[in-house]
Amino acid sequence: AQSVAQPEDQVNVAEGNPLTVKCTYSVSGNPYLFWYVQYPNRGLQFLLKYITGDNLVKGSYGFEAEFNKSQTSFHLKKPSALVSDSALYFCAVRDMRKLTGGGNKLTFGTGTQLKVEL
Amino acid sequence: EAQVTQNPRYLITVTGKKLTVTCSQNMNHEYMSWYRQDPGLGLRQIYYSMNVEVTDKGDVPEGYKVSRKEKRNFPLILESPSPNQTSLYFCASSRGIANTGELFFGEGSRLTVL
Repeated sequence: AQSVAQPEDQVNVAEGNPLTVKCTYSVSGNPYLFWYVQYPNRGLQFLLKYITGDNLVKGSYGFEAEFNKSQTSFHLKKPSALVSDSALYFCAVRDMRKLTGGGNKLTFGTGTQLKVEL
Repeated sequence: EAQVTQNPRYLITVTGKKLTVTCSQNMNHEYMSWYRQDPGLGLRQIYYSMNVEVTDKGDVPEGYKVSRKEKRNFPLILESPSPNQTSLYFCASSRGIANTGELFFGEGSRLTVL
């Protein structure tokens, strides 16, 4: 079964500092990996995805993520955090070999609350 | 504007009183899904639908029903709600099973069952 682990419930960062939100995954085949962000009282919004190709993926709002196959990780990063980045971040994975079985199922992590302070 | 619309956004009900949470998308998406979000558990899939009249169970389907009579609508039905169904519910859609998996989410429906 596929799974995602986000080891930190909360990450605190000062504005202007770099941020990292960690994610590790487990799938039997090759992964599709995603990051979503949830602002208070809102639905999840897509940030970025890794399908294949370059291990460094760039997404919305200046975020990027690095795919590391040997470490089965897909950490979310941003060079300079903003207070407005404060939100709940979810990592998610799909198994490329299961595009038809189970439909478009994503398995989500438990989420990491990012708090950026002045 | 492309969107997924859920109603109601907030609902307090009592045990056993049937309720329906509606979901509608205006993007002509084939795939739709329901998730529940609970603290410490992330998002868990309840049911999904790959197209009209095609639905299947997700990870936590017990106590829920769905239907997909039209492409745009995917209502979630709680026939006899219980307190353990108190949760935040999200409907989501995407273009199809073979696409790259980007989901579009509704704003959420917060349900409390007393």
